[in-house]
Amino acid sequence: DQQVKQNSPSLSVQEGRISILNCDYTNSMFDYFLWYKKYPAEGPTFLISISSIKDKNEDGRFTVFLNKSAKHLSLHIVPSQPGDSAVYFCAASGVNRDDKIIFGKGTRLHILP
Amino acid sequence: DAGVIQSPRHEVTEMGQEVTLRCKPISGHNSLFWYRQTMMRGLELLIYFNNNVPIDDSGMPEDRFSAKMPNASFSTLKIQPSEPRDSAVYFCASSPQIGEKLFFGSGTQLSVL
Repeated sequence: DQQVKQNSPSLSVQEGRISILNCDYTNSMFDYFLWYKKYPAEGPTFLISISSIKDKNEDGRFTVFLNKSAKHLSLHIVPSQPGDSAVYFCAASGVNRDDKIIFGKGTRLHILP
Repeated sequence: DAGVIQSPRHEVTEMGQEVTLRCKPISGHNSLFWYRQTMMRGLELLIYFNNNVPIDDSGMPEDRFSAKMPNASFSTLKIQPSEPRDSAVYFCASSPQIGEKLFFGSGTQLSVL
């Protein structure tokens, strides 16, 4: 049973526009959420995170929004650039900070010229 | 720091053969994780260690899979005997502590024929 769900396997966005990647989770004990980015033939790399005490965290062009009541988070990339084409994984871990990180299946983002 | 180092980068073997994947975590990191990436299941946690001790191996698919961490700088994931359905990319990751962001290696692309 997938505790972290990314329901869109792929997404295409025009360069310069906003990319929005969505993620849902089922475990209400999750309180720390992360996004990872993965290029082909490389390992995933950390992008941005958010704690459940916040509803927004911003880092340059990347913003993560958390809606705890809906158990939903999203990653916004604005403006989208060609180098943003990659697979994006949503991940979550539990309350005690000693819990393992669970990943979603990933969303492949294509930035169109 | 060289980051998490995995070897080999690619492994092609025949069904029934033993396969050993290797990982050197980032120095000073106390937690080590083995993940498997497939199209169907995304990034799937197989097993993780804390201070060289296996904490949770519930993700290990079958008894054919085993993992060891004899010291803080080395871990192996062994599959014996290997089967075609084991074909996937296997990632090793480390973190300072469990629940903190992960640093991934480049992965081992395993093909079992």
